[in-house]
Amino acid sequence: EVQLVESGGDSVQPGGSLRLSCSASGFTFSNYAMHWVRQAPGKGLEYVSAITSNGGSTYYADSVKGRLTISRDNSKNTLYLQMSSLRAEDTAMYYCVRNYGNYDYWGQGTLVTVSS
Amino acid sequence: DVVMTQSPLSLPVTLGQPASISCRSSQSLVYSDGNTYLNWFQQRPGQSPRRLIYKISNRDSGVPDRFSGSGSGTDFTLKISRVEAEDVGVYYCMQGAHWPYTFGQGTKLEIK
Repeated sequence: EVQLVESGGDSVQPGGSLRLSCSASGFTFSNYAMHWVRQAPGKGLEYVSAITSNGGSTYYADSVKGRLTISRDNSKNTLYLQMSSLRAEDTAMYYCVRNYGNYDYWGQGTLVTVSS
Repeated sequence: DVVMTQSPLSLPVTLGQPASISCRSSQSLVYSDGNTYLNWFQQRPGQSPRRLIYKISNRDSGVPDRFSGSGSGTDFTLKISRVEAEDVGVYYCMQGAHWPYTFGQGTKLEIK
């Protein structure tokens, strides 16, 4: 069974940093591109970042470019999102998503709150 | 970015009755491989999104056959033949043909 389990969400002050993790199981992690998608409270879904299966290429939404860094460790079956210079508008549930034929599996999400 | 526009945004439906959600894209979603990457997701209250339909009309494993997708080019529809209580939630269309992937605003389905 495919499982994606996010962790690392927390409450942080504006300008702060956080690292999210996503532990994958039930499939060959190194074969799949992975994405982060977020959802602000009461709002819709927004693509944040993507990484190819071998980690060789990364992509970012314009709204997070230069502040968020996606990475992966295929030996640990884990996806990461390093977040810095956080803003109030980054407050959201962050989902780890497998990108096979467009977002076939989602994690349960981890909540990031940016507030003073 | 490709803009995905859903309608209606709110959909009150009587149990057992059909429901339909429209999704329009600002560009054709036909990819260079000939496939059309239009997907539908369901998000039940308090849960993560779940993919229901991929490439316009293909149901994911475990999705009831009362859900169906149709359309082409820039106009797409999700239909529920007979709404059940467990169908309450928000439905999103999403395009995966152009970078970055983009979602519709969401349609909230509720029981009348």
